[in-house]
Amino acid sequence: EPEVTQTPSHQVTQMGQEVILRCVPISNHLYFYWYRQILGQKVEFLVSFYNNEISEKSEIFDDQFSVERPDGSNFTLKIRSTKLEDSAMYFCASPDATQYFGPGTRLTVL
Amino acid sequence: AQKVTQAQTEISVVEKEDVTLDCVYETRDTTYYLFWYKQPPSGELVFLIRRNSFDEQNEISGRYSWNFQKSTSSFNFTITASQVVDSAVYFCALSESYGGATNKLIFGTGTLLAVQP
Repeated sequence: EPEVTQTPSHQVTQMGQEVILRCVPISNHLYFYWYRQILGQKVEFLVSFYNNEISEKSEIFDDQFSVERPDGSNFTLKIRSTKLEDSAMYFCASPDATQYFGPGTRLTVL
Repeated sequence: AQKVTQAQTEISVVEKEDVTLDCVYETRDTTYYLFWYKQPPSGELVFLIRRNSFDEQNEISGRYSWNFQKSTSSFNFTITASQVVDSAVYFCALSESYGGATNKLIFGTGTLLAVQP
C-alpha cells in the first residue's frame, strides 16, 4: 500500500505558540487533504489543496490555519497561535480514489 | 447535504461471535463513494474498503463482508468470527466524486468495537 508519512508523531506546545505539522504525500498525487480528530470524536475535514492552492476549506479552517507546499514534496499545516481546543490528532491524506491517510500527528496544547 | 450516521456508539462481543456495524448515509449526489476505516488504539486510520455508488454487489474479504443497499442508503460491515485484534473504532465515510477525483470524506461518529476473549 502506498505510504503517506507525517512528522512529528507527537507535538506538545504552549498555548499561543506556532506549530507546523508536516506531511509527505504519495508522489504524483495532485490532491492533498488535512483532517482533524479531537480525542474521542469523529474525523473532520479541514482543507483540501490542489495545484498549490486551497480548493476547499471547512469552517474550522480559520485565519489561524494555513497550508503550504514549500518544496514540491512536503505539505505543511501551520497553526499560528495555538489554542487549547486545537489539541487533536491531525491527519494528512493523499487520495487517489482511496484516500490514503498518514499515521497522524498528535498535537497537545498546554 | 451529506451526512453519515453510525447509530451504534459501542458494541461489545465475545470472541468468535459475528458482529455487524451499521452505517446509514445521506447524499443528493448520484455518484459517490463509501468507505470503511479501522482506527486501532494506536490511532492510525486503516483503509478497509471503498465502494462506488454504481456497484451494489456485496463484497467479502476474509472475515470481513460489506452489504451495500442503495434502497435504504446503508453500507453495513460484518465481521465474522470476531477476534480480539478486531477491537478498534470503525468509521464509515462518504465522499462525492466528480471529474474522476475523490472529494473530501464525511465521516460518521464511529463505532467502538470491543471483542472480549
